[in-house]
Amino acid sequence: DAGVIQSPRHEVTEMGQEVTLRCKPISGHNSLFWYRQTMMRGLELLIYFNNNVPIDDSGMPEDRFSAKMPNASFSTLKIQPSEPRDSAVYFCASLTPGLAADTQYFGPGTRLTVL
Amino acid sequence: LAKTTQPISMDSYEGQEVNITCSHNNIATNDYITWYQQFPSQGPRFIIQGYKTKVTNEVASLFIPADRKSSTLSLPRVSLSDTAVYYCLVGKGGYNKLIFGAGTRLAVHP
Repeated sequence: DAGVIQSPRHEVTEMGQEVTLRCKPISGHNSLFWYRQTMMRGLELLIYFNNNVPIDDSGMPEDRFSAKMPNASFSTLKIQPSEPRDSAVYFCASLTPGLAADTQYFGPGTRLTVL
Repeated sequence: LAKTTQPISMDSYEGQEVNITCSHNNIATNDYITWYQQFPSQGPRFIIQGYKTKVTNEVASLFIPADRKSSTLSLPRVSLSDTAVYYCLVGKGGYNKLIFGAGTRLAVHP
């Protein structure tokens, strides 16, 4: 298995532009998580889905952020409009059911820079 | 969700054994203890998980006392490549979300 796939790996954009980050979870994994990591705030959970349904989006910073999971093999995280404070590494992770406890598999991340 | 407390940073030298202890006083009966490792510019990677006593795999050992209020990750004979941030998390099985704390930044020196 290729693992969790994220694209793009790096994104540089200007303030005010729309940014779309993409994630393909591991096949067969029913849960998908979006995280944001910065030096100041560490690793923060933004939103997670079970069976394509958003379960908890309390970590989404504000209305500029939105996430969708139209099917089991694809999810997007959109920022519109983007701001310099959104600069961070965004990780996607997926989880397989049936294990003893939570074991999340992370993608390589998307490094976002908003100028 | 049980809160965890672990040292912010540790230093070691190549070939030494490193033990990182995590406190989780409010761990629930059906919570498991999971450790992740994160290298620079990479996502966290699962390394070991346990419920009680001792668990060992090819990477590390996890020691959990009977009261389960703490756990110790043991890395035998570390090398420079073990320099990373190590996160201790507690959580239930299934689909429950995990909360990552600040982790322990381990620096291995030659």
